Amino acid sequence: TQLLEQSPQFLSIQEGENLTVYCNSSSVFSSLQWYRQEPGEGPVLLVTVVTGGEVKKLKRLTFQFGDARKDSSLHITAAQPGDTGLYLCAGPTLTGANNLFFGTGTRLTVIP
Amino acid sequence: DSGVTQTPKHLITATGQRVTLRCSPRSGDLSVYWYQQSLDQGLQFLIQYYNGEERAKGNILERFSAQQFPDLHSELNLSSLELGDSALYFCASSVWTGTGMSDTQYFGPGTRLTVL
Repeated sequence: TQLLEQSPQFLSIQEGENLTVYCNSSSVFSSLQWYRQEPGEGPVLLVTVVTGGEVKKLKRLTFQFGDARKDSSLHITAAQPGDTGLYLCAGPTLTGANNLFFGTGTRLTVIP
Repeated sequence: DSGVTQTPKHLITATGQRVTLRCSPRSGDLSVYWYQQSLDQGLQFLIQYYNGEERAKGNILERFSAQQFPDLHSELNLSSLELGDSALYFCASSVWTGTGMSDTQYFGPGTRLTVL
């Protein structure tokens, strides 16, 4: 059974602080994606990581895929109120048909 | 704006009823996916269509069904509704052609279903 556990579940920080969100599984994934979802909207893709050990940067966001491809992390530097939202990691399901299995989510609030 | 449209945005109905949710994919996308997001289960894959044909099934109840029409829009039908069916239902689309590497899914704004 696929399972993607994210931690922490909730995170409330002050503007300017750094934070890290984790996505862990006991299963190996061929790739992992990170999404951000804002209230009233659908998830929006931030990044896809494919290679074990891969690090990708998107402005103040740094994404890392674990060497064994079982975990991933998202680090945000100098968080801003615009970073507020639900962060979801996701991997391909076992159907092989491009649909996604989502993690449990981390709800981030950045206080001005 | 992802280019994926969903109607209606909100839907309130009673237990036992039947509703239809509609999705129009981005222009050119052949694959449509339906997901359910609830507080206790998170975001879960329900069903996928590719060019009018069912391609994959996830955690979709037998009371739920879907189809994709020749113009590529899709409908998700929910029947014999229960309180626990209250959730956000998202449609996503992609250019994925049925083989090869996974590609980006673009999500619509969702339909919030409330069953009273």
